[in-house]
Amino acid sequence: DAGITQSPRHKVTETGTPVTLRCHQTENHRYMYWYRQDPGHGLRLIHYSYGVKDTDKGEVSDGYSVSRSKTEDFLLTLESATSSQTSVYFCAISGNSYTDTQYFGPGTRLTVL
Amino acid sequence: KNQVEQSPQSLIILEGKNCTLQCNYTVSPFSNLRWYKQDTGRGPVSLTIMTFSENTKSNGRYTATLDADTKQSSLHITASQLSDSASYICVVNHNDYKLSFGAGTTVTVRA
Repeated sequence: DAGITQSPRHKVTETGTPVTLRCHQTENHRYMYWYRQDPGHGLRLIHYSYGVKDTDKGEVSDGYSVSRSKTEDFLLTLESATSSQTSVYFCAISGNSYTDTQYFGPGTRLTVL
Repeated sequence: KNQVEQSPQSLIILEGKNCTLQCNYTVSPFSNLRWYKQDTGRGPVSLTIMTFSENTKSNGRYTATLDADTKQSSLHITASQLSDSASYICVVNHNDYKLSFGAGTTVTVRA
């Protein structure tokens, strides 16, 4: 998985609780992304980062926030989890251009009860 | 509306047989089109990448084609193996940070 780890790999939580997912890379890539994958849908971009402390919203950013204080770490936070946020979350990285290949992490399966 | 449509949604083939997956897109302009393979429980892995001017690209038993005029791409798997069982995702790279993903075709190879 191209030097990308995600933690936790599985999490079950209750509606209304905060949740933070972590993505860690060892490739020193500039760009990092958070996606969610749901049955019948393609991967959808939540947020992305183009450098330390530089982030922007994707197409499904409502209810999510991100932070990137170091090149290697990109955190995704659900401030108050809802059942609609039950999904598999993937982190991805790419090099110095957004047209470079994106390499994906192993995913985190999140269940919100 | 999803700008990348894949067909079929799923298919089952016998080991050793060939199959072709289809991808139609409406994204325009775009910088490149990729096919990814996603094994169950894992993240997608890039198989091929084609720019606007390329018609075909191979990676072992995988051959991708692109017709930019009709906005269609296909992925052909030759002499399928059990390890080819996976979801195959067509991804179009816009001329910026954005990617548009198809929902994928699930391929099951049976012995």
